[in-house]
Amino acid sequence: GDSVTQTEGLVTLTEGLPVMLNCTYQTAYSTFLFWYVQHLNEAPKLLLKSSTDNKRTEHQGFHATLHKSSSSFHLQKSSAQLSDSALYYCALSDSTGGADRLTFGKGTQLIIQP
Amino acid sequence: DPKIIQKPKYLVAVTGSEKILICEQYLGHNAMYWYRQSAKKPLEFMFSYSYQKLMDNQTASSRFQPQSSKKNHLDLQITALKPDDSATYFCASSRDWGGDQNTLYFGAGTRLSVL
Repeated sequence: GDSVTQTEGLVTLTEGLPVMLNCTYQTAYSTFLFWYVQHLNEAPKLLLKSSTDNKRTEHQGFHATLHKSSSSFHLQKSSAQLSDSALYYCALSDSTGGADRLTFGKGTQLIIQP
Repeated sequence: DPKIIQKPKYLVAVTGSEKILICEQYLGHNAMYWYRQSAKKPLEFMFSYSYQKLMDNQTASSRFQPQSSKKNHLDLQITALKPDDSATYFCASSRDWGGDQNTLYFGAGTRLSVL
């Protein structure tokens, strides 16, 4: 079955430094990849999504590029802000690309400190 | 204002009891879902509904029964509760079921603890 592997557990960074959260996946089908972000006591929200190989997708200062050759969709930001502290989920859909059934990674807790 | 309302936010239940988790969405979406997040596990898909019809069920146990009285409601009834059912249950919706442009919108979740 499908699976998603993310950077494990907790990542702590100093404000202003670059962010990179890893995401790799396994699937037998064509793919849509997503990053969701969940701030404390809030609902998870879509941050980025992509199905196009080797195309950079950007939103709110974050970017990710889907690389099908390496089955990766790493999340990056050039300069971390305190407000980026949140739980980040990488997720994968099946060949329909729809929201009907997503496979999530375990999530990466990102903490940005001054 | 939140567009997907889940009630209650926190719920404590005793083993063997029954609870209903409430979800209402005000996004005008046609598809609704339930996901579960247990401790140290990823978010797991449970059910999907489209126009109040069950489209997909990945929950092995019949103790979990979605109930859709209106297109914008999808409650989750859980019977004979067990401690292993302790988790945060997320309701979600999307404009339509399936399709490559759909985005999933989540509620804030109901945290269930079964003692």
